[in-house]
Amino acid sequence: AQSVTQLGSHVSVSEGALVLLRCNYSSSVPPYLFWYVQYPNQGLQLLLKYTTGATLVKGINGFEAEFKKSETSFHLTKPSAHMSDAAEYFCALNTGNQFYFGTGTSLTVIP
Amino acid sequence: DSGVTQTPKHLITATGQRVTLRCSPRSGDLSVYWYQQSLDQGLQFLIQYYNGEERAKGNILERFSAQQFPDLHSELNLSSLELGDSALYFCASSGEGEQFFGPGTRLTVL
Repeated sequence: AQSVTQLGSHVSVSEGALVLLRCNYSSSVPPYLFWYVQYPNQGLQLLLKYTTGATLVKGINGFEAEFKKSETSFHLTKPSAHMSDAAEYFCALNTGNQFYFGTGTSLTVIP
Repeated sequence: DSGVTQTPKHLITATGQRVTLRCSPRSGDLSVYWYQQSLDQGLQFLIQYYNGEERAKGNILERFSAQQFPDLHSELNLSSLELGDSALYFCASSGEGEQFFGPGTRLTVL
């Protein structure tokens, strides 16, 4: 069965510190993987996506994620957190027929 | 701007009422997805349409129904509303393997 698991529903980091948001997936077919960000009272917007090819993908706002097939993971990182990064982050999987979303991780950035 | 539009932006209604939410996908996208987002349930997939046909069903209540019209816009109908139906309702369309989300409709049931 296809699924997405985000470890940690709430993550707090200090401004300037590394951001690491964890995502593991389960898929019986080669997955397309995504990270979306949602700011308060807004829709979800795409941060980055992995389809095929290079396993390290770069997205907007300095975020990147690495697809690790052996670990079935797609963790999101950013070297230095900014106050504007405070938001809800969703990892998602597309198996070709359907999209599966994780339960989300709320990121708090402490000044 | 994702190119997906949703109306209305806000909706306030009473228990027992019926409402219709509208979504227009990005130009050229054939698939439309509906999601419900509430504080206690997170982002829940409701239903997907592809070119007018129902493609997949998620956690959609029997009181809810949807359809996609020939011009590809979609409507989500919510009836016999309960307090617990208060939530953000998102529409998304897909193309190039990813989903593009609309700004959402915030439904408040009083």
